[in-house]
Amino acid sequence: DTEVTQTPKHLVMGMTNKKSLKCEQHMGHRAMYWYKQKAKKPPELMFVYSYEKLSINESVPSRFSPECPNSSLLNLHLHALQPEDSALYLCASSHPPGRGTEAFFGQGTRLTVV
Amino acid sequence: DAKTTQPNSMESNEEEPVHLPCNHSTISGTDYIHWYRQLPSQGPEYVIHGLTSNVNNRMASLAIAEDRKSSTLILHRATLRDAAVYYCILRGGAGGTSYGKLTFGQGTILTVHP
Repeated sequence: DTEVTQTPKHLVMGMTNKKSLKCEQHMGHRAMYWYKQKAKKPPELMFVYSYEKLSINESVPSRFSPECPNSSLLNLHLHALQPEDSALYLCASSHPPGRGTEAFFGQGTRLTVV
Repeated sequence: DAKTTQPNSMESNEEEPVHLPCNHSTISGTDYIHWYRQLPSQGPEYVIHGLTSNVNNRMASLAIAEDRKSSTLILHRATLRDAAVYYCILRGGAGGTSYGKLTFGQGTILTVHP
């Protein structure tokens, strides 16, 4: 199984809502990533988890709150988002980065903030 | 973080080879060179990676300059399904300042003509 599964595929939320994005992998990867991608732009790294601990936060606003409850699961909790946060949110996983191995990406959650 | 420079776009005819260049003059000794591609409405897909030596796999070949300041992704026979955005990425290895990061540049839009 070489899949990274993201749910939901689409999400519409109001600026006062709280929602969560979910990402799951069963490849035994111990590094997991969240990216944000605006239309016609490259993915932007948001967070990196390594062995279930947050190792990189690319100065992401606190309205985005990541969580890694176990080695297979990664969540992104959303609260009080702005319309400009509308984007495709991508999750990825890999073996520990130091080994230079490839990352596997999910198909993303397309988020619209209204 | 070390950056990569790619042409904004390239075109090819079907069944012909394609050479996609990437410059990374500030690469550090621990950085791996990764290539990913992204088809419309999909998450990025791993293509190939290398450190110092040229690499081949079923999808493509990667030619790395001797000084590692540039590399070329080679698609031996382009098909219509190869039309995508191709990203050249430096992935920080152990001990490097960008350890753990997989940071995308602007990428090259590849158009394949029938």
